[in-house]
Amino acid sequence: AQSVTQLGSHVSVSEGALVLLRCNYSSSVPPYLFWYVQYPNQGLQLLLKYTSAATLVKGINGFEAEFKKSETSFHLTKPSAHMSDAAEYFCAVNDNNNDMRFGAGTRLTVKP
Amino acid sequence: DAGITQSPRHKVTETGTPVTLRCHQTENHRYMYWYRQDPGHGLRLIHYSYGVKDTDKGEVSDGYSVSRSKTEDFLLTLESATSSQTSVYFCATQRGAGTDTQYFGPGTRLTVL
Repeated sequence: AQSVTQLGSHVSVSEGALVLLRCNYSSSVPPYLFWYVQYPNQGLQLLLKYTSAATLVKGINGFEAEFKKSETSFHLTKPSAHMSDAAEYFCAVNDNNNDMRFGAGTRLTVKP
Repeated sequence: DAGITQSPRHKVTETGTPVTLRCHQTENHRYMYWYRQDPGHGLRLIHYSYGVKDTDKGEVSDGYSVSRSKTEDFLLTLESATSSQTSVYFCATQRGAGTDTQYFGPGTRLTVL
């Protein structure tokens, strides 16, 4: 079955610094990959998704992710962190069925 | 965003009692999902529905049942709640199959004492 692993349950960056959240996937077929963000006491919101088009995917709020098949990775980046980016981020994989698998999540803290 | 509401938003109950959580959507999405969120586990799929009266099990379905009698409503029932079912439950909807975006409700925090 497909799965994702998020490296680092907590990441802390300074405001203005690069954000890098790591996600590696396992899938027996070409995967569809997603990044979701969850703000406190809210549901998840889609940041971006990869569905086999361009390998560099741009999302909302200045985030982007690059699909690297050779590394089975889909890391999320943002050049300059804002305080408002503090949230929990989830990577997810779907093998084009109805069983989306989520990673355990990475909590991003942004220091002033 | 899809109009998804969940009720109740918070519930405290006792072990052994039945509990029903409701998810309501206004977007006429075909697919609906129930997840539970626990620290260190992310979201795990409990059950999903691919149409009225059509449901299937997810990764952690034991102890849960679901029903969908109308497109807009998806009910999750814990027949006899246990403390291990203390969690935050999220409903999600999806217009089409596979790779379409899932839209999430605000969640229900359930505590089983």
